Amino acid sequence: EDQVTQSPEALRLQEGESSSLNCSYTVSGLRGLFWYRQDPGKGPEFLFTLYSAGEEKEKERLKATLTKKESFLHITAPKPEDSATYLCAVPRSSGGSYIPTFGRGTSLIVHP
Amino acid sequence: GAGVSQSPSNKVTEKGKDVELRCDPISGHTALYWYRQSLGQGLEFLIYFQGNSAPDKSGLPSDRFSAERTGGSVSTLTIQRTQQEDSAVYLCASSPKISGELFFGEGSRLTVL
Repeated sequence: EDQVTQSPEALRLQEGESSSLNCSYTVSGLRGLFWYRQDPGKGPEFLFTLYSAGEEKEKERLKATLTKKESFLHITAPKPEDSATYLCAVPRSSGGSYIPTFGRGTSLIVHP
Repeated sequence: GAGVSQSPSNKVTEKGKDVELRCDPISGHTALYWYRQSLGQGLEFLIYFQGNSAPDKSGLPSDRFSAERTGGSVSTLTIQRTQQEDSAVYLCASSPKISGELFFGEGSRLTVL
C-alpha cells in the first residue's frame, strides 16, 4: 500500500538553527513529490515539486531534495515566520487517476 | 486572479442536519479535489473530479457524503444526517493538470453539535 510518512511530528528550533524535515514514501512509479506549507487556519500552500532522485529545489531558506525513498526539506537559518506545518504528498494510483496522498506533516516552531 | 474560494468558512450545525459546502476553483483548472482535515490528523482524500470524467469517489467515508461539480467549475459537497465525527475542516483544491500541484482554498470548518 502506498504510504507517506513524515518525521519528526514536531520540531522546535531557535532562530538561526538549521535543521531538516524528512518525508519517506513507498509508492510504485513516483509521479512527483510535493511539499506544502500550512499556516494555522489556512489551506496548504504549494512550495516545491520534485520528480527524480537527485533533484533539488530552493526557495529562500528552504531547499528540498529527493532520493529514491525519501525527501528532505532543509531549513537554513530559520526565522520565526518560517513557523508552520510542512506537508509532503505523493500521487498514488487510483482507478486510472492519481490522487495526492499526504503525510501527517511536521509542525515547525521557530523561536526568536 | 482569484484563488480557490470556499463557503461557508465556518458552519455549526446540529447532529442529524444536512449541510452543503461550496467550492469555486481557479478558472481553467480541470481537476478539483475535496479533502478533510481533522484536528491533529493529516489530509484525508474524499473525492476527485477531472474534466468530464466520472469522479473518483473512493475516499468518501459513507453514503451520507456526496459531491457534484456543475459545468466543470463550482463543486458542492453535501453531508446528510451529520454526525459529530463529521466535525473537521473540509478543504477544496484545484489543479491545472493531472498529478500537478494543488491550489487550496481556506477551508470550511464544520462543527456538529
